[in-house]
Amino acid sequence: GAVVSQHPSWVICKSGTSVKIECRSLDFQATTMFWYRQFPKQSLMLMATSNEGSKATYEQGVEKDKFLINHASLTLSTLTVTSAHPEDSSFYICSARADRPPQADTEAFFGQGTRLTVV
Amino acid sequence: DQQVKQNSPSLSVQEGRISILNCDYTNSMFDYFLWYKKYPAEGPTFLISISSIKDKNEDGRFTVFLNKSAKHLSLHIVPSQPGDSAVYFCAVISSNTGKLIFGQGTTLQVKP
Repeated sequence: GAVVSQHPSWVICKSGTSVKIECRSLDFQATTMFWYRQFPKQSLMLMATSNEGSKATYEQGVEKDKFLINHASLTLSTLTVTSAHPEDSSFYICSARADRPPQADTEAFFGQGTRLTVV
Repeated sequence: DQQVKQNSPSLSVQEGRISILNCDYTNSMFDYFLWYKKYPAEGPTFLISISSIKDKNEDGRFTVFLNKSAKHLSLHIVPSQPGDSAVYFCAVISSNTGKLIFGQGTTLQVKP
């Protein structure tokens, strides 16, 4: 299947600092990328949907100014957690999907996830 | 309001037997359904999918069944193997929004 690379796989940061997480589609053009957050023993909660070249669509309850999403190219989306606090500690996962021919494919492929710990 | 529900948080089966994982959804606008397998601290891995125009899709040991009238899908794994032990998520896509929405997950344990 297609490969999605997420970096870093884990990060520890101090409270008040910002952290950037990258999500790259390595062998296809990802017109749509999703960012999820997973709390322990819970499902993946969709945070936002980003389409290349346009602003991300955030789910209800997700602060857009805190979780900045940029999808500047067809192979890269970034999530920046600004002014991180301990309650932002979580497992963040991106997924990418190709929506346009000739790679039109509905399956979304996932990155490895990023474990963020804010101390 | 949970749009995708996996009512069984866990399932335990014996190696070689069939594992059946269930998923219910509420919105008839969902038109594509997927199953993912996930290990702790890793991203989900795509397993199998089915579109709303079909009622069955098979790939090796994995078969997904879709009952649109009941808004229900299931994943059958046969024969189950210890390596299948993981958390399984069903997910749905609405062509309206393009969103990929997950159920809560079911932890499958296959005993040797």
